[in-house]
Amino acid sequence: DTEVTQTPKHLVMGMTNKKSLKCEQHMGHRAMYWYKQKAKKPPELMFVYSYEKLSINESVPSRFSPECPNSSLLNLHLHALQPEDSALYLCASSQERAYQETQYFGPGTRLLVL
Amino acid sequence: AQKITQTQPGMFVQEKEAVTLDCTYDTSDPSYGLFWYKQPSSGEMIFLIYQGSYDQQNATEGRYSLNFQKARKSANLVISASQLGDSAMYFCAMRDRSNDYKLSFGAGTTVTVRA
Repeated sequence: DTEVTQTPKHLVMGMTNKKSLKCEQHMGHRAMYWYKQKAKKPPELMFVYSYEKLSINESVPSRFSPECPNSSLLNLHLHALQPEDSALYLCASSQERAYQETQYFGPGTRLLVL
Repeated sequence: AQKITQTQPGMFVQEKEAVTLDCTYDTSDPSYGLFWYKQPSSGEMIFLIYQGSYDQQNATEGRYSLNFQKARKSANLVISASQLGDSAMYFCAMRDRSNDYKLSFGAGTTVTVRA
């Protein structure tokens, strides 16, 4: 089973709202990732967690706040977003952070900021 | 620095025919992994196939095969017997230590399968 789940599938929010994206995997993977993807572009890495600790933050604005409550869950808290933050947000996981490990992606959350 | 290049923005292929998607990469690290993903219009990024830098044989997974030419730093994806459901964006990607094991993606190739 290589399933990563994400909720919600779609989200519309105003610039003053606070919302959260959720990601879950039960493959025992110890590395989890958040990506942002604009239409017809490759995904852009935002954050990496390894063994529940934040390993990489790709200079993401503080209006995006990641959280890893346990080894199976990854959240992305959103606050005071801008319209340009509208995108597909993908979560992924891999066994470890290593060159040979495959990242498995969830179905994504399509976010629209009004 | 590493780089993934996909030179074909879009391709058309007839149903039941084979199609080759080009991918070249650049890294100075001897240990690296190459990946291909498929992304249909629904948005999900689907893992297709993996090739490790030390693998002697070309990887195959069902109708997908990877033509790995290490000296040329090339990792082309071949899809045999194309189906309408193969219409999607395809991304080539690489991981290595020099880039902190991040997955670096190419620009992608859009494949449209014609009936």
